[in-house]
Amino acid sequence: QPALTQPDSVSGSPGQSITIPCSGSDSDFGRTEFECWYQKHPGKAPNLIIYDVSDRPSGVPDRFSGSKSGNVASLTISGLQSEDEAEYYCSSFTTSRPVLFGGGTKVTVL
Amino acid sequence: QVQLVQSGAEVKTPGASVKVSCKASGYNISAYYMHWVRQAPGQGLEWMGWINTEGDTKYARKFQGRVTMTRDTSIGTGYMELHSLTSDDTALYYCARGGASPPFRYWGQGTLVTVSS
Repeated sequence: QPALTQPDSVSGSPGQSITIPCSGSDSDFGRTEFECWYQKHPGKAPNLIIYDVSDRPSGVPDRFSGSKSGNVASLTISGLQSEDEAEYYCSSFTTSRPVLFGGGTKVTVL
Repeated sequence: QVQLVQSGAEVKTPGASVKVSCKASGYNISAYYMHWVRQAPGQGLEWMGWINTEGDTKYARKFQGRVTMTRDTSIGTGYMELHSLTSDDTALYYCARGGASPPFRYWGQGTLVTVSS
């Protein structure tokens, strides 16, 4: 059973907003503020788009935003674009597990 | 600028070992952890372990006893060797620069390892 749970897929039309939740099963998860998100296109390396729950690395469009409430971190993509079609992974860690990844969410732009 | 360049694709038979390299440029590999992550076909990202700034290693429980991570600081290169390969080890293997934990801002381009008889 994965420690970080994401939906398998989310879809939206161009211009719409979508939100991908990532829930943590470990009791530590709700107390951390280090969750990050990666965008991954097939055959390409993951690209960091959100870190420390809601910060964006330079160069990442501001239509990507992150938040967290309790044990659930979320990635929101506003103004969905065709190039946003990709897999998205949440990631975090606990005191006993230094690196955790969610199972990944396939985003489809309709 | 920071770059991680990995070795080329490998094809191995079951039971063999594979060693993937990751050459860093633009920074001193002794100053950061190097992590290894893999993605099997149709599967998600899976963390394998890290080698830290002191050269110590920590492996995910699933890979303990079967993976060895090393580095050669003189040439700025990290290595991940996986032993006793099975078809389940067919995957894209990535190195990534980071601290003890996420996030990982810099990644290698990936190395495809195919295990087939």
